[in-house]
Amino acid sequence: DVKVTQSSRYLVKRTGEKVFLECVQDMDHENMFWYRQDPGLGLRLIYFSYDVKMKEKGDIPEGYSVSREKKERFSLILESASTNQTSMYLCASSRGQGHQPQHFGDGTRLSIL
Amino acid sequence: GNSVTQMEGPVTLSEEAFLTINCTYTATGYPSLFWYVQYPGEGLQLLLKATKADDKGSNKGFEATYRKETTSFHLEKGSVQVSDSAVYFCALGQGSGGGADGLTFGKGTHLIIQP
Repeated sequence: DVKVTQSSRYLVKRTGEKVFLECVQDMDHENMFWYRQDPGLGLRLIYFSYDVKMKEKGDIPEGYSVSREKKERFSLILESASTNQTSMYLCASSRGQGHQPQHFGDGTRLSIL
Repeated sequence: GNSVTQMEGPVTLSEEAFLTINCTYTATGYPSLFWYVQYPGEGLQLLLKATKADDKGSNKGFEATYRKETTSFHLEKGSVQVSDSAVYFCALGQGSGGGADGLTFGKGTHLIIQP
């Protein structure tokens, strides 16, 4: 079965810290995605990657960066965490061709104090 | 740009009632359309999809038909159960990235089924 694993379910950090959220998929998918989910706003795309070492900005990339050194792993980095980055973060992956469904992890609920 | 509009709810129904959750979209060309479901404390799961006009996606008693003339993809189920209580997201996929681009999601509809 398809599996996308996010390293933490809950995370609490302080303002100004550098925060790493990790995501691993075991399906050999080419594409990986990071979204944030907020009440009343739905899911918004932060960054995505269609290949190792490749990355593309989504709709709300400001304040974030990503790293994809290996095909199965996609990391989201908050360079200097701020309280407005408190949110639920969802990682997803999909196969390379066509508009394939995305498979999601269970999410990381991040609180910035 | 692309957008998805869906009723936000909460939508509260009794068990065995008929369900419709409306979804309309704005996009150029021919997007693929999806419904995802999110149960409490979990990530999103794909419920069904349709990739071209007049396609009907179906799964677990849920159905949705891709209507290009009305730019809609309404979710329906004939008889809901308490276990269907969740948040439902309509989404579209489109882009020049060969499918690598992210999906555009609606804001989600919170469905509550009462016994």
